[in-house]
Amino acid sequence: DTEVTQTPKHLVMGMTNKKSLKCEQHMGHRAMYWYKQKAKKPPELMFVYSYEKLSINESVPSRFSPECPNSSLLNLHLHALQPEDSALYLCASSQDRLARGTETQYFGPGTRLLVL
Amino acid sequence: GEDVEQSLFLSVREGDSSVINCTYTDSSSTYLYWYKQEPGAGLQLLTYIFSNMDMKQDQRLTVLLNKKDKHLSLRIADTQTGDSAIYFCAETYSGAGSYQLTFGKGTKLSVIP
Repeated sequence: DTEVTQTPKHLVMGMTNKKSLKCEQHMGHRAMYWYKQKAKKPPELMFVYSYEKLSINESVPSRFSPECPNSSLLNLHLHALQPEDSALYLCASSQDRLARGTETQYFGPGTRLLVL
Repeated sequence: GEDVEQSLFLSVREGDSSVINCTYTDSSSTYLYWYKQEPGAGLQLLTYIFSNMDMKQDQRLTVLLNKKDKHLSLRIADTQTGDSAIYFCAETYSGAGSYQLTFGKGTKLSVIP
């Protein structure tokens, strides 16, 4: 089983709203990732968690706040977003990212976010 | 820095073979991947090849790796309309003791019935 699930599938929010995206995997993976993908572009890395600790923050604005409550769950809290933040948000996981041969990433279906 | 290049479009007739090409720059890449993305969907891992291999075959998919030229290709035999999608080439590179993915811009494959 190589499934990563994400909820919700679609989200529409206003610029003053607070919402959260959720991601879950039950493969025992210890690395989890958030990517942002604009139309007709490749995914851009936002955050990486390794063993439930934030390892990488790719200079993402503070209106995006990641959280890793346990090894299976990854959240992305959204607050005061801008219309240009509208995109497909993808979660991925890998067995590890510190040992060669464990870094293959499996992606979820994504949450399509529209900010009005 | 790491860079992955792909042509943006490919159009083939149903039943023909498709070949999607990719070049990369990082000679220390460990794995090279092909991901498929259908409209409105996430990325599906199609296949991958370890950097010490030359070829990998998986049913209709054949991956060829030329390490000397840093060239990766994905051949889809007997292409079907369901293969219409964007195909991303990606490599992992090692930085500061950990591994990250670099994606190409994606090749949009259109299959003509």
